[in-house]
Amino acid sequence: GESVGLHLPTLSVQEGDNSIINCAYSNSASDYFIWYKQESGKGPQFIIDIRSNMDKRQGQRVTVLLNKTVKHLSLQIAATQPGDSAVYFCAENGAQKLVFGQGTRLTINP
Amino acid sequence: KAGVTQTPRYLIKTRGQQVTLSCSPISGHRSVSWYQQTPGQGLQFLFEYFSETQRNKGNFPGRFSGRQFSNSRSEMNVSTLELGDSALYLCASSFASGSYNEQFFGPGTRLTVL
Repeated sequence: GESVGLHLPTLSVQEGDNSIINCAYSNSASDYFIWYKQESGKGPQFIIDIRSNMDKRQGQRVTVLLNKTVKHLSLQIAATQPGDSAVYFCAENGAQKLVFGQGTRLTINP
Repeated sequence: KAGVTQTPRYLIKTRGQQVTLSCSPISGHRSVSWYQQTPGQGLQFLFEYFSETQRNKGNFPGRFSGRQFSNSRSEMNVSTLELGDSALYLCASSFASGSYNEQFFGPGTRLTVL
């Protein structure tokens, strides 16, 4: 897939457990953040977003936490399923363009 | 509704050549953004077009250019190819500029420069 060869941080979790993926962002002026999921052979897919005036936002089985003090973003996936296997990217909106993190590869153990 | 389509899916070129990649956005979408994805640099923003006008540009040399047509289809061109241009080139479309939560990516064009 497209992520083959990427030396990414890897997170391995048991099926059914919760996953927490972390991201540090660089621009303290960024006011909007997004998490993407990229499966092998596909383009990134929007998961959830959060604005800088919020600390937490929940979606279906996913929660994003934002800590502006330390410029840290996390994505929590509840009850991880095999279909969650992918590379996850955070992105920040800086100067009207997206700046992406390097990504984390999530693998699910049966 | 058809998704974002990119052609060709795979391309092999040699150094010094030029290449043109095509992106057809989702019907009704007027914004098209291009990104480069490499193992070393990850995903990087190239440029965005909206209503045939370049709205924003990333930090890439002038060898990278693009355009958008009246039907919102977009092309990007890379001239004088270098080995480091080998990458997955992704385009994404949305109805409005900056609508990242409504932006959909295509599957990408894998460019290999030999």
